Order: sequence, then C-alpha cells, then structure tokens
Amino acid sequence: DTAVSQTPKYLVTQMGNDKSIKCEQNLGHDTMYWYKQDSKKFLKIMFSYNNKELIINETVPNRFSPKSPDKAHLNLHINSLELGDSAVYFCASSQGGRPQETQYFGPGTRLLVL
Amino acid sequence: GQNIDQPTEMTATEGAIVQINCTYQTSGFNGLFWYQQHAGEAPTFLSYNVLDGLEEKGRFSSFLSRSKGYSYLLLKELQMKDSASYLCAVSVGANNLFFGTGTRLTVIP
Repeated sequence: DTAVSQTPKYLVTQMGNDKSIKCEQNLGHDTMYWYKQDSKKFLKIMFSYNNKELIINETVPNRFSPKSPDKAHLNLHINSLELGDSAVYFCASSQGGRPQETQYFGPGTRLLVL
Repeated sequence: GQNIDQPTEMTATEGAIVQINCTYQTSGFNGLFWYQQHAGEAPTFLSYNVLDGLEEKGRFSSFLSRSKGYSYLLLKELQMKDSASYLCAVSVGANNLFFGTGTRLTVIP
C-alpha cells in the first residue's frame, strides 16, 4: 500500500483557473508538508501542518491555501493560477514535528500552467 | 536565512567510490539529512546526522562537522542504479527542512 499518495499525478490547466491537489498518508503521522520543486529541481518547503494546525507558512502567495480536513489529509488549493506556478508539488509526512524525524514524500503532482 | 551549497553535477565509474559535499550556513541547526531522488520520482531518505562524525549504513555513509558547516555523503561500490540526484537538507526549528539544489550523479560503466 502506498504510504503517501497524491492526486492527480499530472495536471495541465490554463492561467487564471483554480485547482486543487490532494494528499493522503496512511502512516498514522501527525505532521504533513507541501513542497514545490521548480524546473531547476530546487525543492522548497511551502506549508507544514501538525494535527490539522498550520505550523509553518513560508513566504508563498496567498493564492495558495492548504486545507487539512483530518490529520491524514492535507490538500492544496491554488487560485488564479499563473505560469510561474508550473512545477512539481510534493506532499510529505513525518511522525511528529521533531527535527530528527524522517519525512516521507509522495510521488509528486506535475502541474503545468499554459 | 539558510544557505546550502552542493555541486550541481558529478560523474563516477561503476564500482568506484564518490563523495558528494555539502556546505551550509543556517540559524537554528537541528541536523542534516541526505535524500536520494531518481528522475521523475519522490525523494527518499538516506541518512540523518546531528552529531559530528560518520554514520555508516551499508554502501552509504554520511559525515557531519557542525563547526565547519560541512557534510558529505560517501557512496561505495557504485552501481548503475545509484545514478540519481542527491539532496542535502538542513533541519531548522521544528523539522523545517531547507534543501540544497541537489547533486546529479551519473554512474558510467
């Protein structure tokens, strides 16, 4: 069974649209994350949630809004998509929010904005 | 802010040993991770160092010097399947990971 799953795997859409990416983990972890990996393969933290509460919110445009209905899910909603949003978005989870805990990554969602 | 540097690309021969270096300047350092990422796939955990010294795990070892802001990942007995990107990541605060740009390793026969 997949530990961290994301849907969709590929997303192609027009500028100005609103889209959502879903993430689910079946590891029983308390903390979930969203990362963005750009065309140069640079992986950058966007959000972190611990037990459904936001604990990290790096400088991202407020067009991006994470939603956590329960601790096993962390969805990412993006309003008014822009060309620069094209990237691979990875969801990850860890047992808790402690520094030494390994983060387990999902397969990624490849977003292309035209 | 966080500053993490690693070489962009490296090439090594099958069966050889390769060392991938990472230097960092951060505030609130809580450890350093190495992740492996094959093309088109998710990053997967390789190692974690928080104390100075060498951690060995099979063919892979990772070293940390906190005073020098330096780490390396050592891969022995290279195999073709080791061709991948290797990401150095510093843990800051409550498990906030800051990644370097990654080193793309190509293993040649």
